[in-house]
Amino acid sequence: EDQVTQSPEALRLQEGESSSLNCSYTVSGLRGLFWYRQDPGKGPEFLFTLYSAGEEKEKERLKATLTKKESFLHITAPKPEDSATYLCAVQPYNDYKLSFGAGTTVTVRA
Amino acid sequence: DTAVSQTPKYLVTQMGNDKSIKCEQNLGHDTMYWYKQDSKKFLKIMFSYNNKELIINETVPNRFSPKSPDKAHLNLHINSLELGDSAVYFCASSQGIQANSPLHFGNGTRLTVT
Repeated sequence: EDQVTQSPEALRLQEGESSSLNCSYTVSGLRGLFWYRQDPGKGPEFLFTLYSAGEEKEKERLKATLTKKESFLHITAPKPEDSATYLCAVQPYNDYKLSFGAGTTVTVRA
Repeated sequence: DTAVSQTPKYLVTQMGNDKSIKCEQNLGHDTMYWYKQDSKKFLKIMFSYNNKELIINETVPNRFSPKSPDKAHLNLHINSLELGDSAVYFCASSQGIQANSPLHFGNGTRLTVT
């Protein structure tokens, strides 16, 4: 069964303090790995899709990377508006379903 | 402007009641989903429809029944509600079911069963 483990569960950062979130996964053939951002009381918002090891994608202060076993979401010089829960999900080749991790809740203090 | 909209946003009801949640998307997508997010924040898929055809039907109680009258709408009806049904239910849509088609989520319906 596909498994997605995210760490840490929670991350408190000072504004400008860069850090990384981890998503470890076990899947029988990766079709795609997704990162989403979820704000309180809202639905998840799509950030990135990564397809193969070595791939990287960037959006503003966020950069996602992928290896064969894990993905990292790097937050560079975060601002308070980056505070959210970041969710990772994987989609295997042999299925259409996404398996989500429990998320990392990031709080950025001014 | 809302892409995926769900109603109601909050639903408080008693055990044994029957309730429905409605979802509509204006993105022109052909695939819609229902996800359940429990208290530990895990998102788990329940159902998916592609062009009005049920393609994913996870192991959920028969009390849950989805209905898709057209590609833009997917409703969820729940019979004989139980305490354990309390959760946030998210509707989502995508264009196709491949990895290059990310999900667009609604803002959820928080169901509380008392």
